Amino acid sequence: ETGVTQTPRHLVMGMTNKKSLKCEQHLGHNAMYWYKQSAKKPLELMFVYNFKEQTENNSVPSRFSPECPNSSHLFLHLHTLQPEDSALYLCASSQARDSGYEQYFGPGTRLTVT
Amino acid sequence: GEDVEQSLFLSVREGDSSVINCTYTDSSSTYLYWYKQEPGAGLQLLTYIFSNMDMKQDQRLTVLLNKKDKHLSLRIADTQTGDSAIYFCAEIPYTGKLIFGQGTTLQVKP
Repeated sequence: ETGVTQTPRHLVMGMTNKKSLKCEQHLGHNAMYWYKQSAKKPLELMFVYNFKEQTENNSVPSRFSPECPNSSHLFLHLHTLQPEDSALYLCASSQARDSGYEQYFGPGTRLTVT
Repeated sequence: GEDVEQSLFLSVREGDSSVINCTYTDSSSTYLYWYKQEPGAGLQLLTYIFSNMDMKQDQRLTVLLNKKDKHLSLRIADTQTGDSAIYFCAEIPYTGKLIFGQGTTLQVKP
């Protein structure tokens, strides 16, 4: 596999469920990102990891919990979500977390919270 | 503050040129990007321009940058139905955080 992959591609979960989104990059990058894309809103940066260390948390509610076990893998653990959390969740990676490095995006996970 | 603005929708006929416009606010941005998102897919980097350039051409794509007005545009020559997608403008200011616009939906009519 090449590039940035995300699984699952689609997820429907109830508000009391616990699920995880997975992202894997095969580009040898050191920085990974989670974004939320809601309808008619700009992409919102949620979390940034650089060399496995979390460097940014954009005031994301604690019901979203990221995990980065190594530079190639990034998870987003979900629990007790709300219907307004339904969105497309995009993972991206870049060479490093510095200005100017291109970010490569995965296809996203379409999450529906019922 | 950091803000990127785009018009939400553009419709053109196949074979015409498309021009998608974007304005940004942070003059410290050293790179400006155009991403394309096709239905059901993630964002694909189309092209980028350094802030010390005013134009970049790549096959059918032309990027124009007016740094004084903080205005960026993407011109697609000979637009094809396969160009139908959402186009996002993005900047990276000194914070290193990529800031996206809301996206412009390009509809290409045959």
